[in-house]
Amino acid sequence: KQEVTQIPAALSVPEGENLVLNCSFTDSAIYNLQWFRQDPGKGLTSLLLIQSSQREQTSGRLNASLDKSSGRSTLYIAASQPGDSATYLCVTSGTYKYIFGTGTRLKVLA
Amino acid sequence: AAGVIQSPRHLIKEKRETATLKCYPIPRHDTVYWYQQGPGQDPQFLISFYEKMQSDKGSIPDRFSAQQFSDYHSELNMSSLELGDSALYFCASSLRGLAGTRQFFGPGTRLTVL
Repeated sequence: KQEVTQIPAALSVPEGENLVLNCSFTDSAIYNLQWFRQDPGKGLTSLLLIQSSQREQTSGRLNASLDKSSGRSTLYIAASQPGDSATYLCVTSGTYKYIFGTGTRLKVLA
Repeated sequence: AAGVIQSPRHLIKEKRETATLKCYPIPRHDTVYWYQQGPGQDPQFLISFYEKMQSDKGSIPDRFSAQQFSDYHSELNMSSLELGDSALYFCASSLRGLAGTRQFFGPGTRLTVL
């Protein structure tokens, strides 16, 4: 059974800092791993999707890496802004099954 | 533990037909979200409901509508189907009010439009 854990559970930083969010998973037989952003009461916003054959994806200030063999993924946020404040979720995907991580609640202070 | 149930799991329709997808949230969950994921694409948020009222709207086409019923299950109605509507549709449920609450996804309905 896949278990997905994210560290830290919560993070509060001043604006402008570079951040690293960690995601670990127990079953490396995944199709892909996704990072989502969740704002309170809102639907999920997909940030980055890494296929199992890829090691890295970048979008703007975001960079996500994937190391299947060690069961780890990292989301790097450069030059954080108050608008980045949200809960960040990593999700592993198998056939029709999405397993969510425990989430990291990020607060970026102006 | 009970999970999110979606039906049907697979659906094949012709162009211009209508489809109805159903989602049954985890018991006591009051919020339902619908997502669409095309082949090789990220999931796209369509719409969400909280306590039977629409709470958030994403990239849902005008040809689609949805509602949440008194028992909290939700239905996504899709009319005038197009080939591009072929995708995996999944819903998620959550219990609103808890900071950082997780959404629990259903297994999805795979819609194929011919």
